[in-house]
Amino acid sequence: AQSVTQLGSHVSVSEGALVLLRCNYSSSVPPYLFWYVQYPNQGLQLLLKYTTGATLVKGINGFEAEFKKSETSFHLTKPSAHMSDAAEYFCAVSEVEGGTSYGKLTFGQGTILTVHP
Amino acid sequence: AAGVIQSPRHLIKEKRETATLKCYPIPRHDTVYWYQQGPGQDPQFLISFYEKMQSDKGSIPDRFSAQQFSDYHSELNMSSLELGDSALYFCASSLALRVGKTDTQYFGPGTRLTVL
Repeated sequence: AQSVTQLGSHVSVSEGALVLLRCNYSSSVPPYLFWYVQYPNQGLQLLLKYTTGATLVKGINGFEAEFKKSETSFHLTKPSAHMSDAAEYFCAVSEVEGGTSYGKLTFGQGTILTVHP
Repeated sequence: AAGVIQSPRHLIKEKRETATLKCYPIPRHDTVYWYQQGPGQDPQFLISFYEKMQSDKGSIPDRFSAQQFSDYHSELNMSSLELGDSALYFCASSLALRVGKTDTQYFGPGTRLTVL
């Protein structure tokens, strides 16, 4: 079974500082990987995804993530934090077998990002 | 762009009552997923449908049932509600690229169910 671990349930940064949210997965076959953001009392919005191809993927709002197979990681970064980035971030995986995704997502525990002025 | 629509957005029920949650996928999306997010928890997969047939099943209680209709909207029916069913219920939709493979899931705003 797939599992996702997000290191750090809370991350606090200053406005303008680097944002780094960590995500590691466990799977015998590299899954499809996603980052979603959830603002209070709202749904999940897709930030970016990795399926195949280039391991560095760029998403919305200046976020990017790099898939590192050797480290089974998919960390999310943003060079300069904005106050509007304050939200909860979820890493998720979709199981892949024989090149086929089974669709359902397994989420990590979430990381709440706080941005200080 | 059209998004996933869920109704109602908020629902308050008493223990042992029933509840029906509705999900309207993005136009042309043929796959629907349901997730449950308890307070302070990550979303947990419940069930999914492709072309009106159940395609996968997760940790969905036997008290819950769901279906997808001919217009691709889906309903999650919950009976004998318990306090522990209080959660945010998300629906997501995607487009099947081929049998067994789907594109990115797009989430609705969720239905917040409170069981008293």
